[in-house]
Amino acid sequence: AQSVAQPEDQVNVAEGNPLTVKCTYSVSGNPYLFWYVQYPNRGLQFLLKYITGDNLVKGSYGFEAEFNKSQTSFHLKKPSALVSDSALYFCAVREVPNPTQTGANNLFFGTGTRLTVIP
Amino acid sequence: GAVVSQHPSWVICKSGTSVKIECRSLDFQATTMFWYRQFPKQSLMLMATSNEGSKATYEQGVEKDKFLINHASLTLSTLTVTSAHPEDSSFYICSARVRAQDDGYTFGSGTRLTVV
Repeated sequence: AQSVAQPEDQVNVAEGNPLTVKCTYSVSGNPYLFWYVQYPNRGLQFLLKYITGDNLVKGSYGFEAEFNKSQTSFHLKKPSALVSDSALYFCAVREVPNPTQTGANNLFFGTGTRLTVIP
Repeated sequence: GAVVSQHPSWVICKSGTSVKIECRSLDFQATTMFWYRQFPKQSLMLMATSNEGSKATYEQGVEKDKFLINHASLTLSTLTVTSAHPEDSSFYICSARVRAQDDGYTFGSGTRLTVV
């Protein structure tokens, strides 16, 4: 079974300060990990993903995330927050399929974390 | 990049009527489309997975006769909410896998359905 946990419903940070949005996951095998951002009444926009390789992944709008296998975490970070970063952030996971696996393999989403950047 | 166009972006309908939501892949072929439902302040819940040319696979608890999914071509998938009721009011989002983008997923902009 696959699952994602975002322990914080809400994160507040002052503009210019670093931000972290936490995510932990659970899969039986190796994970594909994703971060998406959602603005009000909009679909999800892709930020970054970890498939393989370097544990530190850099994505859109200055965001980055670090894959930590031992802690099963994939926290989203940004060195300096902007007011325009205020939005709803979703972490998602998909188990890496084995060669014999069939099926669509949809993403499993966390419950989301609302980030508010205070001017 | 790969784009999924979802229409309408919002719709208000009377209770008992049906509403169709379309998702089109504009510059790639979407063999698989996922349909999600999102309640206020909650995460996306997968409703069903549609594969081009075959019947959709519904998640447990989702009424297949109420939420009709058609994926007749590689660029179009539709979700029809039949005999809509106020409790069907929600935000519906489609998503497609984009294999050419190293297993990426692209999302439609969502449809806000309000049943009055």
